[in-house]
Amino acid sequence: NAGVMQNPRHLVRRRGQEARLRCSPMKGHSHVYWYRQLPEEGLKFMVYLQKENIIDESGMPKERFSAEFPKEGPSILRIQQVVRGDSAAYFCASSPLGGTYTGELFFGEGSRLTVL
Amino acid sequence: GENVEQHPSTLSVQEGDSAVIKCTYSDSASNYFPWYKQELGKRPQLIIDIRSNVGEKKDQRIAVTLNKTAKHFSLHITETQPEDSAVYFCAASKGEEYGNKLVFGAGTILRVKS
Repeated sequence: NAGVMQNPRHLVRRRGQEARLRCSPMKGHSHVYWYRQLPEEGLKFMVYLQKENIIDESGMPKERFSAEFPKEGPSILRIQQVVRGDSAAYFCASSPLGGTYTGELFFGEGSRLTVL
Repeated sequence: GENVEQHPSTLSVQEGDSAVIKCTYSDSASNYFPWYKQELGKRPQLIIDIRSNVGEKKDQRIAVTLNKTAKHFSLHITETQPEDSAVYFCAASKGEEYGNKLVFGAGTILRVKS
């Protein structure tokens, strides 16, 4: 069973460009979470999605950031007009729904965005 | 919303000694408390977790204790080894009703000196 897959692993953008980060959850998982980790800092919640629905976006910056999880395909975190302060590691995590699920989030290896 | 505070921010111990990391949370509705280990450049990985109906849980050299009244929980690592060196994060969640969203502490850098 493949884990959470994120790509690209590393992305370099110039200020003003767009960054698109993709996340495929583990097989059987219907919930996706995005977290941002600034250098030498903790994991900050950004957004929680289920298929075709944003459930909680309380951690998303009001401008330039958006997320989706379409019926088909991976979840995408989109950052428009990137600035140097967007440089960070962006981690995606997934979880299943109900059943014997304990509450653990399963993390991908992250996408490291560098803005020049 | 939930706020999780974690101490210390860095911890250096001699190989074989014990390490203790402490966290406090603010929302009494939180009922799930995992600990994640993150090695440099890697993803966070769950090492142990505890639910609010349990006071202590142990897995080999790792144990977690929870005090619901005081709203704090701790990670204990005994007989530390160099491979325990990493960043450790505590987290809290209010469960499925709230989407199982985890709120993380700021992390503790653990260095085990051999």
